[in-house]
Amino acid sequence: EDQVTQSPEALRLQEGESSSLNCSYTVSGLRGLFWYRQDPGKGPEFLFTLYSAGEEKEKERLKATLTKKESFLHITAPKPEDSATYLCAVQVQGSYINTGTASKLTFGTGTRLQVTL
Amino acid sequence: DTEVTQTPKHLVMGMTNKKSLKCEQHMGHRAMYWYKQKAKKPPELMFVYSYEKLSINESVPSRFSPECPNSSLLNLHLHALQPEDSALYLCASSQDGFGTSYNEQFFGPGTRLTVL
Repeated sequence: EDQVTQSPEALRLQEGESSSLNCSYTVSGLRGLFWYRQDPGKGPEFLFTLYSAGEEKEKERLKATLTKKESFLHITAPKPEDSATYLCAVQVQGSYINTGTASKLTFGTGTRLQVTL
Repeated sequence: DTEVTQTPKHLVMGMTNKKSLKCEQHMGHRAMYWYKQKAKKPPELMFVYSYEKLSINESVPSRFSPECPNSSLLNLHLHALQPEDSALYLCASSQDGFGTSYNEQFFGPGTRLTVL
C-alpha cells in the first residue's frame, strides 16, 4: 500500500530561523511528488513538482529536494507570512485514468508551520 | 491564469435540503476533481472526471452526486446529507497529456459546508 508520511507534525520557528520539513514515501513506483501550501480555510496552493531523485526546485525562501525515499522542503530565513500547513502528495506509476489526463494523488498529513517574530 | 473558482464560499444546509456546489476553470484542463477535507486532515479524493466522463468514484455515498456539464464546469449535488458531511469541499483541475508538466492539480478556494 502506498504511504506518505510527513514530519514533524507541527513546527514553530522564529523569524529568520531556517529549517526543513520532511516527506517520506513508500510507493510502488513514483511518478511525481508535489508540494502544496495551505492556509486555514483555503484550498491548497501548488508550490513544486519533483519527478526524479536529485531534482531540486526553488521559489523565494523555499527549496524542495527529492531522493528515492523522501523529499525535503527547506525554508530559509522564514517570515511570519510563511506560516501555513505544508502538504506533500505523491502520484504513483500506473495511477493514470483512462486517457491519462487524470491521476490520483496520495497526500501526507501535513506539517503545520508557525513562524513568529 | 491558474485559477479555479468555487461557489458558494460557505453553505449551511439542513439534512433534508438539496443544494449544489459549483466549480469552474478556464485553463483548458480536461481533468477535474472533487475532494473533501476535514479539519487538520489532508484532502480526500471523492470523484475524478476525465474528458467529462466520471473516471473515479472513491466509494462515495450516493447522497453526493457529481456532474460535469462541460470541460470547464463541475458540480456536486448534495441531498439528504448528514452532520458528519460537514467539511471543506475542494475542486481541482489538471491538464491533459502524459508530459511531466501535465500532472499538477490546481485547487480552488473551497466551499465550507455545514450540515445541521
